[in-house]
Amino acid sequence: GQQVMQIPQYQHVQEGEDFTTYCNSSTTLSNIQWYKQRPGGHPVFLIQLVKSGEVKKQKRLTFQFGEAKKNSSLHITATQTTDVGTYFCAGITNDYKLSFGAGTTVTVRA
Amino acid sequence: EPEVTQTPSHQVTQMGQEVILRCVPISNHLYFYWYRQILGQKVEFLVSFYNNEISEKSEIFDDQFSVERPDGSNFTLKIRSTKLEDSAMYFCASSQRSSLNEQYFGPGTRLTVT
Repeated sequence: GQQVMQIPQYQHVQEGEDFTTYCNSSTTLSNIQWYKQRPGGHPVFLIQLVKSGEVKKQKRLTFQFGEAKKNSSLHITATQTTDVGTYFCAGITNDYKLSFGAGTTVTVRA
Repeated sequence: EPEVTQTPSHQVTQMGQEVILRCVPISNHLYFYWYRQILGQKVEFLVSFYNNEISEKSEIFDDQFSVERPDGSNFTLKIRSTKLEDSAMYFCASSQRSSLNEQYFGPGTRLTVT
């Protein structure tokens, strides 16, 4: 079955630094979504990428979809304490099946 | 802003008992989903539901699980005979069209099986 791998599992970041989380799929994806889950909370939709090579920005967050539509990344610049949480990618195949990655849990050192 | 609601927030049950988890999706959404998240682990897809029938289900969603939309607003997940390993947070989600659209998650029901 489809597997979506996400690395790293944990990311400890100094406030102000940048970091990137990566998502890789074993199969070609129709699109990919990113969600953020705060500690004790529920996943909240951040963005969806559809086109090959697509890049989207939300303030300090930059999302990228690979040319082959099998990988994606989320890059956060100048990390703030509000960025704490777990970031999940969710890959969607052509038959509409959604598969979440294991998530990257981000902690921030002030 | 419309939101998905879930009840109860926490359910404690004994092994072998039946539980029903309830969700009220966003009113103009057509696709509904249940996910499970075991403590500290990733979100796992259970089932999607559209037009009063299951459209997709995962390997986790075996005969012990069922879903229902008993009326125009509620969407339920039933576990017939709970096992210890069913202990998890269960999230309901809805989307306006298919999974190709953003999904709105509810706050979750924490199920504890003792």
